[in-house]
Amino acid sequence: EIVLTQSPAFQSVTPKEKVTITCRASRRIGNALHWYQQKPNQSPKLLIKYASQSFSGVPSRFSGSGSGTDFTLTISSLEAEDAATYFCHQSSSLPHSFGPGTKVDI
Amino acid sequence: EVQLLESGGGLVQPGGSLRLFCVASGFRFSGYAMSWVRQAPGKGLEWVSTVSGSGAATNYTDSVKGRFTISRDSSKNTLYLQMNSLRAEDTAVYYCAKEYLGDGGSVFDSWGQGALVTVSS
Repeated sequence: EIVLTQSPAFQSVTPKEKVTITCRASRRIGNALHWYQQKPNQSPKLLIKYASQSFSGVPSRFSGSGSGTDFTLTISSLEAEDAATYFCHQSSSLPHSFGPGTKVDI
Repeated sequence: EVQLLESGGGLVQPGGSLRLFCVASGFRFSGYAMSWVRQAPGKGLEWVSTVSGSGAATNYTDSVKGRFTISRDSSKNTLYLQMNSLRAEDTAVYYCAKEYLGDGGSVFDSWGQGALVTVSS
């Protein structure tokens, strides 16, 4: 099973600040890494697929990069509505696995 | 617009059974694999099971193998999860998710609102 780790676990930020979240896989997964946003009491929403492809309708301030074992989600200029927990997910091999999440608080 | 609507959650005693439903709309249901992903209270996400578009192929996480069964009925645009021999550790919100298959494997591109399953005596 591929284990994903995320850092930081928690980040307190101010509006317009740049946010960087990292996800590391326990072995190489190519670009099979995706990012989701989950706001309190809501279901997860896809932000970035295949490491760097923005999902339809996602604001351009969200971007992803990386390949192999190390990946990054960047929010270029944080807005108040971005307060949420962010999860990475790998689909390189079953079982699908998720990172533990990064809570972004404003 | 893709919509996924779960139902069937509730309180069940340890060892009991429950069946979850997910009614899909806004896309060609039979053309996509579908999955269940769960989230224990205050915890992270855990993939549970996937069924192929045709329903012929299924996969499960080890902790539910032999206890849970995923299935689908394309005539009703409905995904199911039959859960037997439930344990306290199965307590979670269960999300139905649509899969998009790309070159790097599948991604969950749409999610339902979730159904809460509580296993407790």
